[in-house]
Amino acid sequence: DTAVSQTPKYLVTQMGNDKSIKCEQNLGHDTMYWYKQDSKKFLKIMFSYNNKELIINETVPNRFSPKSPDKAHLNLHINSLELGDSAVYFCASSQGTLRHAEAFFGQGTRLTVV
Amino acid sequence: AQSVAQPEDQVNVAEGNPLTVKCTYSVSGNPYLFWYVQYPNRGLQFLLKYITGDNLVKGSYGFEAEFNKSQTSFHLKKPSALVSDSALYFCAVRDGSSSNTGKLIFGQGTTLQVKP
Repeated sequence: DTAVSQTPKYLVTQMGNDKSIKCEQNLGHDTMYWYKQDSKKFLKIMFSYNNKELIINETVPNRFSPKSPDKAHLNLHINSLELGDSAVYFCASSQGTLRHAEAFFGQGTRLTVV
Repeated sequence: AQSVAQPEDQVNVAEGNPLTVKCTYSVSGNPYLFWYVQYPNRGLQFLLKYITGDNLVKGSYGFEAEFNKSQTSFHLKKPSALVSDSALYFCAVRDGSSSNTGKLIFGQGTTLQVKP
């Protein structure tokens, strides 16, 4: 069983389109995250939800809107896609926001905007 | 502000030799440090973490890391490298600010290349 699963794994779309990435975790965690990995492999957090409540929003353009329907799911919707949005997006989860709790990551969604 | 630095973009080592991937950190308060590995076209896999206690932490796949408070370092090590260890390695620190958000701050990553 995959602990943190994202769909789709690859997404190629045109500029201006709207797209969503879905994430589900079966670890029973209550905290979920979206991270962005750029072309230089640098990882940076975008959003974090704890018990369906948004707790981190890291100066991400408001074209990006996360949504957590329940503790096991965190989806990412992106409006009006731009070339610069091309990246790998990783979903992750952890048990709470405690500093010692490791995060578990999904396999990533490679988004290519053309 | 918390930060993590991995001074080497790439580390090359021969199979069977010991390997070290370097990481230094800057945090306020106690550091909570992590190592992750990313294989090509895969997600990040947790290797090990330092919370408190012994300075030598053992993790998955034979990896270990040495915490050095005076040098603010948390280097990843393995006594004998395997070709299959070739991957991208990330050091990370947990945000130690008063707002407990669970945010991980990553270093820029180090590519480990193990040659037969």
